[in-house]
Amino acid sequence: GAVVSQHPSWVICKSGTSVKIECRSLDFQATTMFWYRQFPKQSLMLMATSNEGSKATYEQGVEKDKFLINHASLTLSTLTVTSAHPEDSSFYICSAVYRGRFPYEQYFGPGTRLTVT
Amino acid sequence: EDKVVQSPLSLVVHEGDTVTLNCSYEVTNFRSLLWYKQEKKAPTFLFMLTSSGIEKKSGRLSSILDKKELFSILNITATQTGDSAIYLCAVGYGGATNKLIFGTGTLLAVQP
Repeated sequence: GAVVSQHPSWVICKSGTSVKIECRSLDFQATTMFWYRQFPKQSLMLMATSNEGSKATYEQGVEKDKFLINHASLTLSTLTVTSAHPEDSSFYICSAVYRGRFPYEQYFGPGTRLTVT
Repeated sequence: EDKVVQSPLSLVVHEGDTVTLNCSYEVTNFRSLLWYKQEKKAPTFLFMLTSSGIEKKSGRLSSILDKKELFSILNITATQTGDSAIYLCAVGYGGATNKLIFGTGTLLAVQP
């Protein structure tokens, strides 16, 4: 149980275009999902907290107009990288909070590797 | 500023060795400490620790938390090549929904 999927698993796009990444909790409802970014040989950095039915909360230094987050349902959150640039190339990972037991655990998706050319 | 520091940054051992990975933290509103194993993709959950002094064990892996000294260790006994990975320590903080702050990770390489 507690499986999280991401789509696509990898994407290449041209500079200036937008890319949408989906995060789904497959067998549980997730009122909260998190989006992380991981650069090579670095750890995961929290970008934003996505709450179903409300606006996302962004961490300091993350541009909310560039990284659009929509948590449309209890099982789906999307991250759209707008006007992508090569420096946005990274590994993007989402996690979904499973409220089955406290403290609530986060289950991670397999990640999306974005390359901007 | 909240931080999670792991050591060593990397480690090379031979199969059968025992390794100890360290994680120290300074995080306000501490809720829990978690260990993850990351191979090529996203992290996979190993342990969640919330209480001091209580060892959690899963097969050859075990972990313990010291909330007074603000650190945790992850032990792996009788290492195998399949243990090669990055081991991430994360601290959950804030309200009921844990936000996580991750350490830089320890890259473990187990040689045959």
